[in-house]
Amino acid sequence: TQLLEQSPQFLSIQEGENLTVYCNSSSVFSSLQWYRQEPGEGPVLLVTVVTGGEVKKLKRLTFQFGDARKDSSLHITAAQPGDTGLYLCAGAGGSARQLTFGSGTQLTVLP
Amino acid sequence: KAGVTQTPRYLIKTRGQQVTLSCSPISGHRSVSWYQQTPGQGLQFLFEYFSETQRNKGNFPGRFSGRQFSNSRSEMNVSTLELGDSALYLCASSYRDSSRETQYFGPGTRLLVL
Repeated sequence: TQLLEQSPQFLSIQEGENLTVYCNSSSVFSSLQWYRQEPGEGPVLLVTVVTGGEVKKLKRLTFQFGDARKDSSLHITAAQPGDTGLYLCAGAGGSARQLTFGSGTQLTVLP
Repeated sequence: KAGVTQTPRYLIKTRGQQVTLSCSPISGHRSVSWYQQTPGQGLQFLFEYFSETQRNKGNFPGRFSGRQFSNSRSEMNVSTLELGDSALYLCASSYRDSSRETQYFGPGTRLLVL
């Protein structure tokens, strides 16, 4: 069974602070996706990383895929209240035939 | 292009009843996956359908079933509802293989079992 562990589970920070969310597994994935979900809505894809060591930047968000393709991180610079939401990582490929989701990180950015 | 749509958005049922949820994937997508999301268990995979065939199934009891139609629309059914079935049920579509391609999620159906 493939498992993805996310940390921290909850994060509450002030506007303007930086934060990092981690997604770790003992399994290798062919790609890893990050989603953000707002209350009452489905997850929305933020980025997909496919190459070990890959770094992708989307404005204030930086995503990194580990060299061994077993872990990933999401770094947010100068967080804003609009960044509030549930962040989910999901691994694709490997031995499982479906997307494996992490448990999620609930981020609250206070104004 | 329209996104994934799910109906109904909200549903209240009582224990022992059954429920059918509907999902219309993005036009051209042939794979539909269903997930159950609860605060305690997170997102758990229910099953995936591709070209009207169930291709993959998660670890849920037989009370949970689904099907896919020739137009790729999908339904899931839960029989003999239990309190623990209260959850957000999410549908996601992808063009081909959901394990290797981006999945696009619908807004979900919030089911409350009383």
